Amino acid sequence: DVKVTQSSRYLVKRTGEKVFLECVQDMDHENMFWYRQDPGLGLRLIYFSYDVKMKEKGDIPEGYSVSREKKERFSLILESASTNQTSMYLCASSPTRGVVNEQFFGPGTRLTVL
Amino acid sequence: RKEVEQDPGPFNVPEGATVAFNCTYSNSASQSFFWYRQDCRKEPKLLMSVYSSGNEDGRFTAQLNRASQYISLLIRDSKLSDSATYLCVVRWDSNYQLIWGAGTKLIIKP
Repeated sequence: DVKVTQSSRYLVKRTGEKVFLECVQDMDHENMFWYRQDPGLGLRLIYFSYDVKMKEKGDIPEGYSVSREKKERFSLILESASTNQTSMYLCASSPTRGVVNEQFFGPGTRLTVL
Repeated sequence: RKEVEQDPGPFNVPEGATVAFNCTYSNSASQSFFWYRQDCRKEPKLLMSVYSSGNEDGRFTAQLNRASQYISLLIRDSKLSDSATYLCVVRWDSNYQLIWGAGTKLIIKP
């Protein structure tokens, strides 16, 4: 079974803090994604990566950056957390570079910024 | 504007009934379509892909109507365990980009 793990289930941070969310997948997938999920809205893509050291902006990259130094690990960084970044953050992976069909998700990190 | 629209519900349905929901999409060039299921406080998981010819998996049937730009999900003989939020997902012309609906909440009552 594909396993995608995220470093924390719940996180509380203060405005202005730098926040790191880590995601690891164990199935050698090429593509990795970071989404945020807010009530009443569909999942919104923040960033994705289809290769090590490669990254592409999604729909809402402002205020975020990412790092993919190893194939299995994709990190999301909030440079200076703000209250409007309070959300559920979901990491996903998919196997084949260039094609996205099924995505496999981690359990999510619920981030609260005070 | 990219849009995938779903009725948020909730749909309150008695156990054993049949329930159906639709999802409309705005981009006529959409390539692929999926239904995901998300249980409360859990991550989304793929329920089924939606093919042009339709797709059936046990009690679940998915249909695509390209002319009217919607996909549907039909659940027969609903079970309590079917209670979840059902997310409609569309792949746009970019191979990497999936566009997600906000979901339809389904509650099956005994």
